[in-house]
Amino acid sequence: QKEVEQNSGPLSVPEGAIASLNCTYSDRVSQSFFWYRQYSGKSPELIMSIYSNGDKEDGRFTAQLNKASQYVSLLIRDSQPSDSATYLCAVVGDMDSNYQLIWGAGTKLIIKP
Amino acid sequence: GAVVSQHPSRVICKSGTSVKIECRSLDFQATTMFWYRQFPKQSLMLMATSNEGSKATYEQGVEKDKFLINHASLTLSTLTVTSAHPEDSSFYICSASRVSGDYNEQFFGPGTRLTVL
Repeated sequence: QKEVEQNSGPLSVPEGAIASLNCTYSDRVSQSFFWYRQYSGKSPELIMSIYSNGDKEDGRFTAQLNKASQYVSLLIRDSQPSDSATYLCAVVGDMDSNYQLIWGAGTKLIIKP
Repeated sequence: GAVVSQHPSRVICKSGTSVKIECRSLDFQATTMFWYRQFPKQSLMLMATSNEGSKATYEQGVEKDKFLINHASLTLSTLTVTSAHPEDSSFYICSASRVSGDYNEQFFGPGTRLTVL
């Protein structure tokens, strides 16, 4: 069974520091990886997509992918209290599954002022 | 781009009634849409996968006769909760799949909070 693993947290980070969120996945053929942010009572919001090994930067966010280690991470620089949310890692299944997302359970991030 | 809307955002109904929720992709065509349910403090649970013009594929344990899904066009999917009961009270969220070349991203609607009295 394909799985995506995340530490549930909560992960507490002081304001202005770097928050590091990690995710591992079990399916070696996975090609597409996503980070979603979900505020309490709201729906998930796509913040990063990554498809190739290495780093991808977008503003304060950097996604890192290592397919050999089956590991994807999200770094948030200069963390702000508004970054406090649950961060969901998701991996796309194959075409036969209609590209269903396989979800991690999410990591709750708390940025302390 | 990549905006998905849902309507209504919140609905309160009596037990035994049916409720229809609409999901629209506003600025892209979505061959595939997904319906999720989320109970408080729990993870997203995929209910069904909906492809335009064909029958939805339901996840194990989801009653297809209770949760009717119609995906009539590339921008609209509807979920009807039939004969709703209090245990159906939940946060229902749709997502729409946008394909760009070899890549496929899912964008979520804002969700519909259903309360069944």
